[in-house]
Amino acid sequence: GAGVSQSPSNKVTEKGKDVELRCDPISGHTALYWYRQRLGQGLEFLIYFQGNSAPDKSGLPSDRFSAERTGESVSTLTIQRTQQEDSAVYLCASSFGQGSEKLFFGSGTQLSVL
Amino acid sequence: GQQVMQIPQYQHVQEGEDFTTYCNSSTTLSNIQWYKQRPGGHPVFLIQLVKSGEVKKQKRLTFQFGEAKKNSSLHITATQTTDVGTYFCARPNFNKFYFGSGTKLNVKP
Repeated sequence: GAGVSQSPSNKVTEKGKDVELRCDPISGHTALYWYRQRLGQGLEFLIYFQGNSAPDKSGLPSDRFSAERTGESVSTLTIQRTQQEDSAVYLCASSFGQGSEKLFFGSGTQLSVL
Repeated sequence: GQQVMQIPQYQHVQEGEDFTTYCNSSTTLSNIQWYKQRPGGHPVFLIQLVKSGEVKKQKRLTFQFGEAKKNSSLHITATQTTDVGTYFCARPNFNKFYFGSGTKLNVKP
């Protein structure tokens, strides 16, 4: 596609439920990033995928968070047993990778945990 | 370590006034990027600075990279209401990027 696509755009869930967020990067982009942005705050790094290398999971806040990526395509971010503090916008970005390439962001998924 | 400090956190200006945001690091940066996020939108890449002392201009926006490559600034001349948003700097760290906390700019018409 023309840009990074994320779905759903909004997700409301109950505390304790699992959620799955999806990201479709720009075709040809080998690097994919997930960030979390709480209301009025900056971007918090979560996880980074580069090609077929092992992902950098150093930013995941707890073991309730996990992410997968199939090759150089779609990625899913899963949050298990959601908590109210998980409420935020989850942004996905992609780039050509291998160095300091500029990031292209999707429009994000607004997650609200009630 | 991995963080970049951005100041100010907020800036309110009258349309036509200038605006500057600063990004500071305790360690030398290989390069630095700037992004703009409009209200309700997602971050959009503006520019990347690589060389010591580099200055780049995009219309009314001037970006600088310090001589020691530890700080950077974004200056907007004669702000317009279209400049409203949050400006982030981002530093690379082993192929991933850490973002500053951002400077939120509000422009009164």
